[in-house]
Amino acid sequence: AQSVTQLGSHVSVSEGALVLLRCNYSSSVPPYLFWYVQYPNQGLQLLLKYTSAATLVKGINGFEAEFKKSETSFHLTKPSAHMSDAAEYFCAVSEGPGEGNKLVFGAGTILRVKS
Amino acid sequence: NAGVTQTPKFRILKIGQSMTLQCTQDMNHNYMYWYRQDPGMGLKLIYYSVGAGITDKGEVPNGYNVSRSTTEDFPLRLELAAPSQTSVYFCASSSGHLYEQYFGPGTRLTVT
Repeated sequence: AQSVTQLGSHVSVSEGALVLLRCNYSSSVPPYLFWYVQYPNQGLQLLLKYTSAATLVKGINGFEAEFKKSETSFHLTKPSAHMSDAAEYFCAVSEGPGEGNKLVFGAGTILRVKS
Repeated sequence: NAGVTQTPKFRILKIGQSMTLQCTQDMNHNYMYWYRQDPGMGLKLIYYSVGAGITDKGEVPNGYNVSRSTTEDFPLRLELAAPSQTSVYFCASSSGHLYEQYFGPGTRLTVT
């Protein structure tokens, strides 16, 4: 079965600093990978997705993620943090076809941005 | 388009009461999902549906039931509420294309 591990339940950065949120996955099939963001008291919004087209994926709000098969990783980065980036971020992997297109989510990382 | 809508936004239940969480999507998606979110635990799949009339259990189905009589609606039923069901519940839908899911705003449920 697929699984996702997000390293660090809380990450704190200064405004303008690099954001790095870590995600490692396990999958028995070529994975489809996702990063979602959740702002306080809201639902989840898709940031970006990897669907095997390109290993470096660009998303909304200046975020990007790189798929590294050898490391089974899909880390999320942003060169310069903004106060509005404070939120909880979830990495997810698809269960693949024939499994109801289900997603398996990591436990989440709360990003705090200090002024 | 409204996307995925959920009602109610908040609810307080007493132990043993029952209720239905409503979920509707207007994107004509075949796939729909119910998750619960607890602090530090991520999202856990309760039930899902691959089309009208077809439902299946997810990771944490105990204490819940679902039905899918139409493409648009996917209600979640709690029959005998327990404190362990205090959580935030999210409904999501997907066309199946590239597995992306679209989420509703959530229902915050407290059982006391």
